[in-house]
Amino acid sequence: SQTIHQWPATLVQPVGSPLSLECTVEGTSNPNLYWYRQAAGRGLQLLFYSVGIGQISSEVPQNLSASRPQDRQFILSSKKLLLSDSGFYLCAWSVLFGGAASPTDTQYFGPGTRLTVL
Amino acid sequence: GQNIDQPTEMTATEGAIVQINCTYQTSGFNGLFWYQQHAGEAPTFLSYNVLDGLEEKGRFSSFLSRSKGYSYLLLKELQMKDSASYLCAVRNSGAGSYQLTFGKGTKLSVIP
Repeated sequence: SQTIHQWPATLVQPVGSPLSLECTVEGTSNPNLYWYRQAAGRGLQLLFYSVGIGQISSEVPQNLSASRPQDRQFILSSKKLLLSDSGFYLCAWSVLFGGAASPTDTQYFGPGTRLTVL
Repeated sequence: GQNIDQPTEMTATEGAIVQINCTYQTSGFNGLFWYQQHAGEAPTFLSYNVLDGLEEKGRFSSFLSRSKGYSYLLLKELQMKDSASYLCAVRNSGAGSYQLTFGKGTKLSVIP
């Protein structure tokens, strides 16, 4: 079965410090990978998604970046954190199945990282 | 672009039935998902609809009407553990079809 890991679970960082959050998936090959942020009182916001190694698409311009150095590893980074970067960061994976007639790629979420920037 | 609307909060009694509505406007549609999210935890997948009609999974059912841009999640025989936020998410068709747009969620409180 597939599992997804994220670390750390919680993080408190000062403004201006760097960030690195890691996500790994087990039990599947060539998954689509996603980074979301959920701020208090707001919906899930897609930040980045990747369909393969080295392929990153950004949805929202900001001071964050993502990388996919290995098939099942997805990293979210920042050089200088802002107060507005605080939130719950969620990694998700999906695999397309069902064929052309009825494709589906349900996304499954990792446990998340709660980031507080002070 | 996409716009998804859900009620912010709902309250229901243990053992009862509750219906959580979701309406959406989208330039292209390729499926609608419902997720459950307990406080402080990650969302977990509940259901998926791409064709009109009702999908039933135990106590949970989800309905879709593509012509009306409307879905609902029906929870039967409510239990205290069903207290959570319920997220409606729509997937675009065409380019970028991997992406989901989420509503802000409906916080359901189940009371004794």
